[in-house]
Amino acid sequence: DIQMTQSPSSLSASVGDRVTITCQASQDISNYLNWYQQKPGKAPKLLIYDASNLETGVPSRFSGSGSGTDFTFTISSLQPEDIATYYCQQYDNLPYSFGQGTKLEIK
Amino acid sequence: QVQLQESGPGLVKPSQTLSLTCTVSGGSISSGSYYWSWIRQPAGKGLEWIGRIYTSGSTNYNPSLKSRVTISVDTSKNQFSLKLSSVTAADTAVYYCARDKVDSNYTYYYYYMDVWGKGTTVTVSS
Repeated sequence: DIQMTQSPSSLSASVGDRVTITCQASQDISNYLNWYQQKPGKAPKLLIYDASNLETGVPSRFSGSGSGTDFTFTISSLQPEDIATYYCQQYDNLPYSFGQGTKLEIK
Repeated sequence: QVQLQESGPGLVKPSQTLSLTCTVSGGSISSGSYYWSWIRQPAGKGLEWIGRIYTSGSTNYNPSLKSRVTISVDTSKNQFSLKLSSVTAADTAVYYCARDKVDSNYTYYYYYMDVWGKGTTVTVSS
């Protein structure tokens, strides 16, 4: 199975800050990576697919980049409603696997 | 607007079989290029993909659960289902169903879970 490692596990930032989360795959997954946002008590929501494609309706302050084993998720200007846990997920090989999550809090 | 809704018992006894159904509304489960997945999340923990089914009936399972999992589809009811046998307390989790979209840029296929149910909590306890 492909292991996905996110960092940091938690992050505290101020409104307006630029926030970056990284995700590393245990082997080359090309650009076969998605990013999800999960708010407390809610289902995950797709934000980014295929490493860098913004899902329809998702604000443009969210972006993704990377390929191979190293990926980055960025919020260009943090908003209060962005408080959530973020997960990366690979689909290069079955079984799908997720990172352990990055919990984002407002400072 | 496609919506998914999980249903099933919230409490299952150890060693018994967990059974959940996901009802698809707002669209046909048979239309388009979609797999239909199950994912679970123990309280305070991360996401674990359980498996998926295509409307042809073709399935893929997580090897960690494969011996205990069965996913099936009933296109006449616009539903797909999960059965997990011989459950233990470790199977206590929120269970989500999701639409797993297959897309292409003519060079390769890519997959993403773009519609999720709200989730249902299943507790394994005597």
